[in-house]
Amino acid sequence: EAGVAQSPRYKIIEKRQSVAFWCNPISGHATLYWYQQILGQGPKLLIQFQNNGVVDDSQLPKDRFSAERLKGVDSTLKIQPAKLEDSAVYLCASSLEGVDTGELFFGEGSRLTVL
Amino acid sequence: GNSVTQMEGPVTLSEEAFLTINCTYTATGYPSLFWYVQYPGEGLQLLLKATKADDKGSNKGFEATYRKETTSFHLEKGSVQVSDSAVYFCAPRGYQKVTFGTGTKLQVIP
Repeated sequence: EAGVAQSPRYKIIEKRQSVAFWCNPISGHATLYWYQQILGQGPKLLIQFQNNGVVDDSQLPKDRFSAERLKGVDSTLKIQPAKLEDSAVYLCASSLEGVDTGELFFGEGSRLTVL
Repeated sequence: GNSVTQMEGPVTLSEEAFLTINCTYTATGYPSLFWYVQYPGEGLQLLLKATKADDKGSNKGFEATYRKETTSFHLEKGSVQVSDSAVYFCAPRGYQKVTFGTGTKLQVIP
């Protein structure tokens, strides 16, 4: 079974530039998560989708971050304009719909460095 | 909302030593409890889980028991190996919301 796919794995940009990350979840997983993991910290939820609807985006900095999951499958997270403090690993995860006993499956992450 | 307090690292142990990583949580209702592990250069993956009070999750020699009365889910292993060197995250899940602890880095030396 294919896992969660993310790209690019690494990205280096200058501040005020824009960047986009892509995620393809495990087939059949209705719930998709984007997390931000700053070095030395635990993952912080940015946005959670169920199918193509947003469940939780309370911690998404909406002035610069946006995310979409138009067809309820793959998703894109965009940052525009980037700030130095956005340097982090962006993790995508997926899980079965509405199952609190189920695990999250993570991709390998996209590491962003903002100079 | 949920919150997690996890033992700060790094933790450095000799091979075959006993490991405990403490985790306590606050949550609405009765969450499921998870430990995830992140090996160097890899993504997070599930280590073990427990879905109700007094359940014990186990995997790869690691164990954790869901203690509702103390809201804890401490991770233990009787004899660690060098290959266990990783970062460990405690993560309660309730009402479809998952909260991660700050992570505990474990380094096992031969």
